Amino acid sequence: DQQVKQNSPSLSVQEGRISILNCDYTNSMFDYFLWYKKYPAEGPTFLISISSIKDKNEDGRFTVFLNKSAKHLSLHIVPSQPGDSAVYFCAASAGTASKLTFGTGTRLQVTL
Amino acid sequence: DTAVSQTPKYLVTQMGNDKSIKCEQNLGHDTMYWYKQDSKKFLKIMFSYNNKELIINETVPNRFSPKSPDKAHLNLHINSLELGDSAVYFCASSPSGLAGIVILNEQFFGPGTRLTVL
Repeated sequence: DQQVKQNSPSLSVQEGRISILNCDYTNSMFDYFLWYKKYPAEGPTFLISISSIKDKNEDGRFTVFLNKSAKHLSLHIVPSQPGDSAVYFCAASAGTASKLTFGTGTRLQVTL
Repeated sequence: DTAVSQTPKYLVTQMGNDKSIKCEQNLGHDTMYWYKQDSKKFLKIMFSYNNKELIINETVPNRFSPKSPDKAHLNLHINSLELGDSAVYFCASSPSGLAGIVILNEQFFGPGTRLTVL
């Protein structure tokens, strides 16, 4: 039972353009969402998070949008840079003191 | 100044063998985890320890036994390895918040151990 889904396994974007990575969830108890970034041969690193009391959180070039009614969140990267090429995992939890449920990841390739 | 380290990075072994993966964190965190990423790229939690006490134990075969000698170390021992155990295993840690409440979300991951069972 996949409670967090990233339906696009890969995405290719030109440098300088916007990258939009999507994530859907099914568990209505989830109220805290995170994005992790993973380079090859490394562990995931925390990127940005959002609580369900917000619908947007911004950190530099990265913005996460949350649509609770649609059970959907997205990560926007503007402008995209070649160093952003990595696998991005969406994760969710029911409360901050709860286990994380991860999606299967989206591989982003930023081309020159 | 590696924050979360795992050894070995690669492990190739025969079915039926027993093996261990070690994890150490120098972040001063109270909580540590083991995750398994299988061939379908699902990253699933297996275990979590807080101050050497088991707090999360997902449905994992009892061939897998975590051991936490102190809060900076969480090792994973696997008995009677099977083909389906082949995966990348990630260790992670996170700090506790106020009043010792575990903040499971701000997790720092190790580089992973790729286990191949032949």
